[in-house]
Amino acid sequence: QVQLVQSGAEVKKPGASVKVSCKASGYTFTSYDINWVRQATGQGLEWMGWMNPNSGNTGYAQKFQGRVTMTRNTSISTAYMELSSLRSEDTAVYYCARGGQTKGGSCYSCWFDPWGQGTLVTVSS
Amino acid sequence: DIQMTQSPSSLSASVGDRVTITCQASQDISNYLNWYQQKPGKAPKLLIYDASNLETGVPSRFSGSGSGTDFTFTISSLQPEDIATYYCQQYDNPPQATFGQGTRLEIK
Repeated sequence: QVQLVQSGAEVKKPGASVKVSCKASGYTFTSYDINWVRQATGQGLEWMGWMNPNSGNTGYAQKFQGRVTMTRNTSISTAYMELSSLRSEDTAVYYCARGGQTKGGSCYSCWFDPWGQGTLVTVSS
Repeated sequence: DIQMTQSPSSLSASVGDRVTITCQASQDISNYLNWYQQKPGKAPKLLIYDASNLETGVPSRFSGSGSGTDFTFTISSLQPEDIATYYCQQYDNPPQATFGQGTRLEIK
């Protein structure tokens, strides 16, 4: 079955970086975008950006521009999200989710399904 | 950026009730609107895509409608297992996505 499995929980100090992985299985990794969404405790869902695993093209939400980098390793069907200059407000569960197919700057079938199990990132001194 | 206004923020209903949640976009998004269910401690689950299409395996008591700026999500007969938070999500191009604020659904 189609599945995304994320790396384990992380504890980081303010100013550090964190890199979360998302391993895909059950489908052709390069055929669908990977999106990243985060959720602070008791809060709503916040979209961070997308990556096309085939081309490596990315698009980031304005809020995270300059602090987030999304990459992939196609040989192991794994996507990565790195967030730098961490602050306490970045404490959240980070999810990867399979998205649609982005071609020529447009996204087709742009819903998120399935999702990874989530990775808790805690930023604390 | 497109803003999504979801209401109500919380809702209490009885088993068997018809439940309706609305989502309004700040500009025309055609039918590029999806609905998710999130249970405590779990990842969100896709229920409805492109405004009105039921995801495979999702019970038929869930439905969605709307286009343009105004969208509705309905549970025709509330079941105990439907207790969750529900989110709308829009997407546009170049690819950007925005979620509504969420609706927490409780049993009365």
